[in-house]
Amino acid sequence: EAGVAQSPRYKIIEKRQSVAFWCNPISGHATLYWYQQILGQGPKLLIQFQNNGVVDDSQLPKDRFSAERLKGVDSTLKIQPAKLEDSAVYLCASSLVGGAYNSPLHFGNGTRLTVT
Amino acid sequence: KQEVTQIPAALSVPEGENLVLNCSFTDSAIYNLQWFRQDPGKGLTSLLLIQSSQREQTSGRLNASLDKSSGRSTLYIAASQPGDSATYLCAVQSVDSGGSNYKLTFGKGTLLTVNP
Repeated sequence: EAGVAQSPRYKIIEKRQSVAFWCNPISGHATLYWYQQILGQGPKLLIQFQNNGVVDDSQLPKDRFSAERLKGVDSTLKIQPAKLEDSAVYLCASSLVGGAYNSPLHFGNGTRLTVT
Repeated sequence: KQEVTQIPAALSVPEGENLVLNCSFTDSAIYNLQWFRQDPGKGLTSLLLIQSSQREQTSGRLNASLDKSSGRSTLYIAASQPGDSATYLCAVQSVDSGGSNYKLTFGKGTLLTVNP
């Protein structure tokens, strides 16, 4: 079974620039998550999709972050404009089903973003 | 608001030693608890998932226990090996404040080093 694919692996940008990350979940997984992991911290949920609908985006800084999951498969996360505090690893995860169905999350290797 | 704490933040042991990692959570109304492993520069790998009705789960040299009423979980690693060196994260799934979604809240992790 192919895992969760993310690209790029690394990205370095200057503050106020834009950046986009891409995620391809495991085939058949209905739920897709984007997490932000700052160095030394646990991952923090930014947005959760169920198929192509948003389930939870309460911690997404909507003035600069946006995400979409067209056709309920691939997803992109965009930051525009970036700030220094956005430097982090952005992790994509997917699960067969969401909610309290005890469905384990499968994570990609993440995109390490450095904002200078 | 659910908060997850992991103790210790870092642990260094000699090869062959048995060890215990601790996780505590503030709200005992959880649906499941998951232990993940994170290698440097990588995403998270799910190790064990304990449903709220269960007391423990085992996989190979790993054993995770859950005491929901006291808000605690432990991850026991038997006969540790240098290949076990990684960060171990605990996460609990519980309903969010709006009562409509089931969020996964992570601890900051324990950095384990097993010395040959």
